[in-house]
Amino acid sequence: SAVISQKPSRDICQRGTSLTIQCQVDSQVTMMFWYRQQPGQSLTLIATANQGSEATYESGFVIDKFPISRPNLTFSTLTVSNMSPEDSSIYLCSARGGGQGTEAFFGQGTRLTVV
Amino acid sequence: KQEVTQIPAALSVPEGENLVLNCSFTDSAIYNLQWFRQDPGKGLTSLLLIQSSQREQTSGRLNASLDKSSGRSTLYIAASQPGDSATYLCAVPREDDMRFGAGTRLTVKP
Repeated sequence: SAVISQKPSRDICQRGTSLTIQCQVDSQVTMMFWYRQQPGQSLTLIATANQGSEATYESGFVIDKFPISRPNLTFSTLTVSNMSPEDSSIYLCSARGGGQGTEAFFGQGTRLTVV
Repeated sequence: KQEVTQIPAALSVPEGENLVLNCSFTDSAIYNLQWFRQDPGKGLTSLLLIQSSQREQTSGRLNASLDKSSGRSTLYIAASQPGDSATYLCAVPREDDMRFGAGTRLTVKP
């Protein structure tokens, strides 16, 4: 199994500012993902973080708002830019060692509040 | 398009009771199904992964079953404890990522 360290665990930010969330996996993984979970809702995929290339974004999410980096097979960052109160959510990093048949693991989540 | 549904949305039981959480999915062509636990404001903890060729997986007091043909999975929790209180989510692969149910919020009362 993979252990994922995500930080910060929580933050309160002023509107208009940006926050970068880090995700570190204890082993090399093929796939890394970023999800958003709004209050009382299930998980929504933001993007797939691709190693060495631009992330693949889901409909409704854009690179200018959620820039993602993945410099190697164990690390990724998500930035939430120009924040507004509507960005208040839990942001979750996920990783999978291989394709669809492999187990998915999650970080501890980042609870973001924008005031 | 794969849809995942979990019933019930919320469940409250007294300590010691055995309980069943339900998960259904619309497309039976899945590689596996995974059950997760989520504590309030936290990330997801993987509980059980059932491959498509399996019918059951067990871990301690947890037992998950999978019936691909009917598009159903159940998570059985034996002798529930207050520490089991959390939201339980099931998920199936969707291309590279996963499709999640909305979860069942479980409360176990002492």
